[in-house]
Amino acid sequence: AQSVSQHNHHVILSEAASLELGCNYSYGGTVNLFWYVQYPGQHLQLLLKYFSGDPLVKGIKGFEAEFIKSKFSFNLRKPSVQWSDTAEYFCAVTDSGYALNFGKGTSLLVTP
Amino acid sequence: DSGVTQTPKHLITATGQRVTLRCSPRSGDLSVYWYQQSLDQGLQFLIHYYNGEERAKGNILERFSAQQFPDLHSELNLSSLELGDSALYFCASSVQGANYGYTFGSGTRLTVV
Repeated sequence: AQSVSQHNHHVILSEAASLELGCNYSYGGTVNLFWYVQYPGQHLQLLLKYFSGDPLVKGIKGFEAEFIKSKFSFNLRKPSVQWSDTAEYFCAVTDSGYALNFGKGTSLLVTP
Repeated sequence: DSGVTQTPKHLITATGQRVTLRCSPRSGDLSVYWYQQSLDQGLQFLIHYYNGEERAKGNILERFSAQQFPDLHSELNLSSLELGDSALYFCASSVQGANYGYTFGSGTRLTVV
């Protein structure tokens, strides 16, 4: 089964700073890629997803992610973070369609 | 509210006991997935059911079992509980498979003492 690596476990940013969270996966075939967000005390919510086509995908709340096949990466970006973006962010991948494999998550703290 | 309902929200039980976690999928979704979330292991896929049939197994212990009923709700049974089973257990649902992502429930926090 493929694995998913999120390199940054904890990130602290000031409001208005730019964000980039790294995600790499191990599988070389066709994959579907996702970013989920978990706000404190809430369930995981889908931020964005990539299936095919334009490698730059836009999601909710101003987030976007770029799929770079040659690097097996799907990094999440946001040009200017807000305090309300404080949350845990999870990258996930599926190749089989049976289940998503998740990375261990990145905890983002945005300070005023 | 995501539409996926999990009960109970919190559960405290003693080692050696057995508990049942319940999940009702979003209306129209036929697939149910169970995950365990812990600080050290992250989100671990346990098992997937589609329309009452088991479709895929992940890192599910033999002490754990699940089923999906005709009304599509699912139950995760955890037995001979150990301290290390303390975790958040999430249920997620989708129309069919995982290719388009899932909708998650709010989870059941299990504490084994």
